[in-house]
Amino acid sequence: TQLLEQSPQFLSIQEGENLTVYCNSSSVFSSLQWYRQEPGEGPVLLVTVVTGGEVKKLKRLTFQFGDARKDSSLHITAAQPGDTGLYLCAGAEYGNKLVFGAGTILRVKS
Amino acid sequence: NAGVTQTPKFQVLKTGQSMTLQCAQDMNHEYMSWYRQDPGMGLRLIHYSVGAGITDQGEVPNGYNVSRSTTEDFPLRLLSAAPSQTSVYFCASSPGTGGTNEQFFGPGTRLTVL
Repeated sequence: TQLLEQSPQFLSIQEGENLTVYCNSSSVFSSLQWYRQEPGEGPVLLVTVVTGGEVKKLKRLTFQFGDARKDSSLHITAAQPGDTGLYLCAGAEYGNKLVFGAGTILRVKS
Repeated sequence: NAGVTQTPKFQVLKTGQSMTLQCAQDMNHEYMSWYRQDPGMGLRLIHYSVGAGITDQGEVPNGYNVSRSTTEDFPLRLLSAAPSQTSVYFCASSPGTGGTNEQFFGPGTRLTVL
């Protein structure tokens, strides 16, 4: 099973600050997804990246897939308290099996 | 549409007891899966199904059984609960088997085994 390492594990910042979350692997994935999870709920998909070097933007969130499709990053500009949650990256193995990273807990203080 | 539903929301078991976690989806998705989520370990795949009558093991299948008699339902059975199975369990469904398909997760079942 391929492994995905996420960093940092925990991030506590002030409202308005920028942040980046990293997702790294020594293996190549066919695609990579980012999910956000709030307490007591299941993860919800934010974005899927497929092509090496691909960049996708979702309002203040920017997602990038590494050129070699082994790593990805999530950058949040001007974080808001509503961004608080657990961010999970997930790489696709063959079929529809996803390998999840351990997650990054983000807390944005107002 | 209700999406993916899971019952119960919370459960406490004693070591050795058995139980079934229920999962149902009303989106006519072919692919369904069960994950467990433990602190610092992300989501780990227990079992999955690519369609009615077809199931396969994931990363951590020991101690769990599944069946898929209909497209809608995918129950997870704990045969003889152990404290190591204390976790939050999520069921998910997806419209296809490609890695670009969105997985829709249920709200989870928090299980404690004493």
